[in-house]
Amino acid sequence: ELKVEQNPLFLSMQEGKNYTIYCNYSTTSDRLYWYRQDPGKSLESLFVLLSNGAVKQEGRLMASLDTKARLSTLHITAAVHDLSATYFCAVVPSQGGSEKLVFGKGMKLTVNP
Amino acid sequence: NAGVTQTPKFQVLKTGQSMTLQCAQDMNHNSMYWYRQDPGMGLRLIYYSASEGTTDKGEVPNGYNVSRLNKREFSLRLESAAPSQTSVYFCASSEVVNRGWRNTEAFFGQGTRLTVV
Repeated sequence: ELKVEQNPLFLSMQEGKNYTIYCNYSTTSDRLYWYRQDPGKSLESLFVLLSNGAVKQEGRLMASLDTKARLSTLHITAAVHDLSATYFCAVVPSQGGSEKLVFGKGMKLTVNP
Repeated sequence: NAGVTQTPKFQVLKTGQSMTLQCAQDMNHNSMYWYRQDPGMGLRLIYYSASEGTTDKGEVPNGYNVSRLNKREFSLRLESAAPSQTSVYFCASSEVVNRGWRNTEAFFGQGTRLTVV
C-alpha cells in the first residue's frame, strides 16, 4: 500500500526567508503532484513531476523529484505572505491506469511579516 | 469552462438521513474520483471510476455508494448518514493514463461541506 509522508506538517516562517519541505513515498510511482489549498477553497495544481531529476519552478516555488530516493522537495525562496496556504503532495502508484492519487497529510505554511 | 462542478456546496443532515452528492465534469475525462478531507488527514479516496460503467473502492468506502451515471457525472450517496461522515467532500476528474502518455493532471471541484448532526 502506497503511503505518502510530508514534513513538516506545520511551518511558520518570516517573510524573506528560504525553506525546503519534503514529501516521501513508500513504493514506486508514475508521477508526483504538488497542490496548494487556501482555507475553505479547492485544490490548485502547482506542479506535475514525471521523471527522476525533474525540476520545475514557478515564482518563489521550486519542486524536484528523486524517484530513486522516493523523495520530492518543495523549496520556498524569499517567502511572502501570499504563500501562506496548505501544501499537499500526491503520488500515483505505478500499477494501474487511473489517476488514483494518494495524498500526504499536507503542510500548513504561515508566512509572517 | 466550468471544469468540475459539485452540488450542493453546503449541507446539514440529521443522523440516519440519506443524500446524494452530485459531480459533473465537462473536460471529457475518463476517470473520476471522490475524496473526503478531514483536519490533519489530508485527502482520502472514497471511490473512483476509471471509466464509464466501472467503479472501485478506495481507502475509505464504508458508508458510501457511487454511481457513474455517464462519462460526465459521478455521484456519491450516503444511505444513512453518521456524524463520522462530517467532512469536506471533493470530486475530481482526470484522463486515464494511456501507454506512453503520462502527462495527466487531476482537476478538483470546489467541494461540498457536509455536517451530520
